[in-house]
Amino acid sequence: DVKVTQSSRYLVKRTGEKVFLECVQDMDHENMFWYRQDPGLGLRLIYFSYDVKMKEKGDIPEGYSVSREKKERFSLILESASTNQTSMYLCASNPGGLGSPLHFGNGTRLTVT
Amino acid sequence: EDQVTQSPEALRLQEGESSSLNCSYTVSGLRGLFWYRQDPGKGPEFLFTLYSAGEEKEKERLKATLTKKESFLHITAPKPEDSATYLCAVQASGGSYIPTFGRGTSLIVHP
Repeated sequence: DVKVTQSSRYLVKRTGEKVFLECVQDMDHENMFWYRQDPGLGLRLIYFSYDVKMKEKGDIPEGYSVSREKKERFSLILESASTNQTSMYLCASNPGGLGSPLHFGNGTRLTVT
Repeated sequence: EDQVTQSPEALRLQEGESSSLNCSYTVSGLRGLFWYRQDPGKGPEFLFTLYSAGEEKEKERLKATLTKKESFLHITAPKPEDSATYLCAVQASGGSYIPTFGRGTSLIVHP
Protein backbone atom coordinates (compact mmCIF):
# COMPACT_ATOMS: atom_id res chain seq x y z
CA ASP A 1 0.00 0.00 0.00
CA VAL A 2 1.07 3.55 -0.71
CA LYS A 3 2.07 5.42 2.37
CA VAL A 4 2.13 9.21 2.51
CA THR A 5 3.39 10.48 5.85
CA GLN A 6 3.00 14.01 7.12
CA SER A 7 5.39 14.82 9.93
CA SER A 8 2.94 16.53 12.26
CA ARG A 9 -0.75 15.93 12.96
CA TYR A 10 -1.20 19.19 14.88
CA LEU A 11 0.83 22.40 14.89
CA VAL A 12 0.30 25.69 16.70
CA LYS A 13 2.36 28.64 15.51
CA ARG A 14 2.43 32.36 16.09
CA THR A 15 1.75 35.03 13.51
CA GLY A 16 4.91 35.90 11.58
CA GLU A 17 6.70 32.60 12.23
CA LYS A 18 8.20 30.62 9.37
CA VAL A 19 6.50 27.23 9.26
CA PHE A 20 7.65 24.02 7.60
CA LEU A 21 5.27 21.17 6.81
CA GLU A 22 6.96 17.97 5.72
CA CYS A 23 5.62 15.13 3.61
CA VAL A 24 7.24 11.83 2.63
CA GLN A 25 5.94 9.13 0.28
CA ASP A 26 7.34 5.63 0.01
CA MET A 27 6.18 4.53 -3.45
CA ASP A 28 8.58 6.34 -5.75
CA HIS A 29 5.75 8.51 -7.10
CA GLU A 30 6.61 11.20 -9.62
CA ASN A 31 3.99 13.73 -8.55
CA MET A 32 3.38 15.31 -5.19
CA PHE A 33 0.78 17.87 -4.13
CA TRP A 34 -0.10 20.20 -1.29
CA TYR A 35 -3.73 21.10 -0.61
CA ARG A 36 -5.51 23.00 2.09
CA GLN A 37 -9.01 22.07 3.17
CA ASP A 38 -11.43 24.47 4.79
CA PRO A 39 -15.12 23.97 5.68
CA GLY A 40 -17.35 25.00 2.81
CA LEU A 41 -14.44 25.54 0.43
CA GLY A 42 -13.35 21.98 -0.21
CA LEU A 43 -9.85 21.05 -1.30
CA ARG A 44 -7.76 23.82 -2.80
CA LEU A 45 -4.44 23.14 -4.52
CA ILE A 46 -1.51 25.20 -3.27
CA TYR A 47 1.46 23.77 -5.18
CA PHE A 48 2.42 20.60 -6.94
CA SER A 49 5.62 19.02 -8.18
CA TYR A 50 6.11 16.60 -11.05
CA ASP A 51 9.81 15.97 -10.52
CA VAL A 52 12.67 16.71 -8.18
CA LYS A 53 13.35 20.45 -7.98
CA MET A 54 10.34 21.14 -10.19
CA LYS A 55 7.27 22.95 -8.89
CA GLU A 56 4.11 24.49 -10.25
CA LYS A 57 1.68 26.92 -8.65
CA GLY A 58 -1.78 25.70 -7.92
CA ASP A 59 -4.88 27.78 -7.30
CA ILE A 60 -3.81 29.53 -4.09
CA PRO A 61 0.02 29.81 -3.90
CA GLU A 62 0.19 33.24 -2.27
CA GLY A 63 1.99 33.15 1.08
CA TYR A 64 3.42 29.70 0.46
CA SER A 65 6.49 28.16 -1.12
CA VAL A 66 7.61 24.57 -1.62
CA SER A 67 10.77 22.53 -1.84
CA ARG A 68 11.43 19.16 -3.42
CA GLU A 69 15.09 18.23 -3.11
CA LYS A 70 14.48 14.47 -3.09
CA LYS A 71 11.85 12.48 -4.95
CA GLU A 72 10.19 11.14 -1.83
CA ARG A 73 9.96 14.41 0.09
CA PHE A 74 7.87 17.52 -0.55
CA SER A 75 7.90 20.41 1.90
CA LEU A 76 5.43 23.26 2.23
CA ILE A 77 6.76 26.50 3.68
CA LEU A 78 4.72 29.33 5.13
CA GLU A 79 7.13 32.24 4.87
CA SER A 80 5.38 34.37 7.49
CA ALA A 81 2.39 32.64 9.00
CA SER A 82 -0.86 34.54 9.25
CA THR A 83 -4.13 33.71 11.00
CA ASN A 84 -5.88 33.17 7.66
CA GLN A 85 -3.53 30.25 7.05
CA THR A 86 -5.12 28.32 9.90
CA SER A 87 -6.36 25.22 8.11
CA MET A 88 -6.00 21.49 7.47
CA TYR A 89 -3.08 20.84 5.13
CA LEU A 90 -3.05 17.68 3.05
CA CYS A 91 -0.18 16.19 1.10
CA ALA A 92 -0.79 13.74 -1.73
CA SER A 93 1.14 11.81 -4.34
CA ASN A 94 0.52 9.77 -7.47
CA PRO A 95 2.69 7.93 -9.94
CA GLY A 96 1.93 10.29 -12.78
CA GLY A 97 0.04 9.79 -15.96
CA LEU A 98 -3.62 10.20 -16.55
CA GLY A 99 -6.10 8.05 -14.68
CA SER A 100 -4.03 7.53 -11.55
CA PRO A 101 -5.66 8.60 -8.27
CA LEU A 102 -4.06 10.70 -5.58
CA HIS A 103 -2.99 9.07 -2.33
CA PHE A 104 -3.26 11.35 0.65
CA GLY A 105 -1.52 11.69 3.98
CA ASN A 106 -3.51 12.12 7.17
CA GLY A 107 -3.14 15.86 7.22
CA THR A 108 -1.64 18.52 9.45
CA ARG A 109 -4.03 20.71 11.40
CA LEU A 110 -2.27 24.07 11.62
CA THR A 111 -3.44 26.80 13.95
CA VAL A 112 -1.85 30.24 13.68
CA THR A 113 -2.49 32.49 16.68
CA GLU B 1 -13.20 24.83 -17.18
CA ASP B 2 -13.72 21.45 -15.51
CA GLN B 3 -16.49 21.42 -12.91
CA VAL B 4 -17.62 18.87 -10.34
CA THR B 5 -20.80 19.24 -8.31
CA GLN B 6 -21.77 16.85 -5.56
CA SER B 7 -25.24 16.48 -4.08
CA PRO B 8 -26.63 16.47 -1.55
CA GLU B 9 -24.20 18.43 0.64
CA ALA B 10 -25.32 16.42 3.65
CA LEU B 11 -27.33 13.23 4.05
CA ARG B 12 -28.70 11.56 7.16
CA LEU B 13 -29.79 7.94 6.95
CA GLN B 14 -31.03 5.34 9.35
CA GLU B 15 -29.01 2.16 9.56
CA GLY B 16 -30.14 -0.12 6.74
CA GLU B 17 -31.69 2.69 4.69
CA SER B 18 -30.10 2.53 1.22
CA SER B 19 -29.44 5.71 -0.77
CA SER B 20 -27.24 7.28 -3.44
CA LEU B 21 -24.81 10.17 -3.62
CA ASN B 22 -24.46 12.11 -6.87
CA CYS B 23 -21.43 13.58 -8.62
CA SER B 24 -22.17 15.63 -11.74
CA TYR B 25 -19.24 16.69 -13.86
CA THR B 26 -18.31 18.79 -16.86
CA VAL B 27 -14.96 18.06 -18.45
CA SER B 28 -13.45 18.37 -21.90
CA GLY B 29 -12.80 14.64 -21.98
CA LEU B 30 -12.90 12.29 -19.03
CA ARG B 31 -9.76 10.36 -18.23
CA GLY B 32 -10.86 9.14 -14.83
CA LEU B 33 -13.40 9.73 -12.08
CA PHE B 34 -12.35 9.03 -8.51
CA TRP B 35 -14.28 8.47 -5.30
CA TYR B 36 -12.74 9.02 -1.88
CA ARG B 37 -13.91 8.59 1.69
CA GLN B 38 -12.75 11.06 4.33
CA ASP B 39 -13.18 10.52 8.06
CA PRO B 40 -13.10 13.55 10.40
CA GLY B 41 -9.56 14.78 11.01
CA LYS B 42 -8.02 12.43 8.45
CA GLY B 43 -6.94 12.57 4.82
CA PRO B 44 -9.14 11.26 2.01
CA GLU B 45 -8.92 7.53 1.41
CA PHE B 46 -9.11 6.33 -2.18
CA LEU B 47 -12.10 4.08 -2.98
CA PHE B 48 -12.63 3.70 -6.73
CA THR B 49 -11.57 4.84 -10.17
CA LEU B 50 -14.06 4.75 -13.05
CA TYR B 51 -12.81 5.30 -16.58
CA SER B 52 -15.72 5.04 -19.00
CA ALA B 53 -19.50 5.31 -19.13
CA GLY B 54 -21.23 2.11 -18.08
CA GLU B 55 -18.45 1.03 -15.76
CA GLU B 56 -19.28 -0.09 -12.21
CA LYS B 57 -17.10 -0.85 -9.19
CA GLU B 58 -18.10 -2.39 -5.86
CA LYS B 59 -16.60 -2.57 -2.42
CA GLU B 60 -18.60 -4.01 0.47
CA ARG B 61 -21.77 -1.88 0.75
CA LEU B 62 -20.58 0.68 -1.82
CA LYS B 63 -21.18 0.59 -5.55
CA ALA B 64 -20.01 3.33 -7.92
CA THR B 65 -21.48 3.82 -11.38
CA LEU B 66 -20.62 6.19 -14.22
CA THR B 67 -22.48 7.84 -17.09
CA LYS B 68 -21.26 10.51 -19.50
CA LYS B 69 -22.46 13.29 -17.19
CA GLU B 70 -22.50 11.91 -13.66
CA SER B 71 -21.49 9.25 -11.23
CA PHE B 72 -23.46 7.72 -8.39
CA LEU B 73 -22.19 6.18 -5.21
CA HIS B 74 -24.85 3.74 -4.05
CA ILE B 75 -24.80 2.73 -0.41
CA THR B 76 -26.72 -0.44 0.34
CA ALA B 77 -27.93 -1.12 3.88
CA PRO B 78 -25.50 1.36 5.44
CA LYS B 79 -24.04 0.97 8.90
CA PRO B 80 -22.94 3.73 11.31
CA GLU B 81 -19.31 3.06 10.36
CA ASP B 82 -20.11 4.25 6.83
CA SER B 83 -20.52 7.76 8.23
CA ALA B 84 -17.94 9.98 6.52
CA THR B 85 -17.55 12.64 3.87
CA TYR B 86 -17.44 11.23 0.35
CA LEU B 87 -15.46 13.17 -2.25
CA CYS B 88 -15.62 12.89 -6.01
CA ALA B 89 -12.87 14.07 -8.37
CA VAL B 90 -12.42 14.05 -12.13
CA GLN B 91 -9.33 14.04 -14.27
CA ALA B 92 -9.64 15.43 -17.78
CA SER B 93 -7.78 14.29 -20.82
CA GLY B 94 -6.97 17.85 -21.84
CA GLY B 95 -3.36 17.67 -20.73
CA SER B 96 -3.23 18.46 -17.03
CA TYR B 97 -3.25 15.50 -14.68
CA ILE B 98 -4.47 17.62 -11.81
CA PRO B 99 -7.85 16.32 -10.64
CA THR B 100 -10.77 18.65 -9.97
CA PHE B 101 -12.54 17.88 -6.70
CA GLY B 102 -16.14 18.36 -5.67
CA ARG B 103 -16.93 19.71 -2.22
CA GLY B 104 -18.16 16.41 -0.91
CA THR B 105 -21.24 14.86 0.64
CA SER B 106 -21.28 14.46 4.41
CA LEU B 107 -23.05 11.20 5.28
CA ILE B 108 -24.30 10.36 8.75
CA VAL B 109 -25.81 6.95 9.42
CA HIS B 110 -27.80 6.69 12.64
CA PRO B 111 -28.03 3.35 14.49
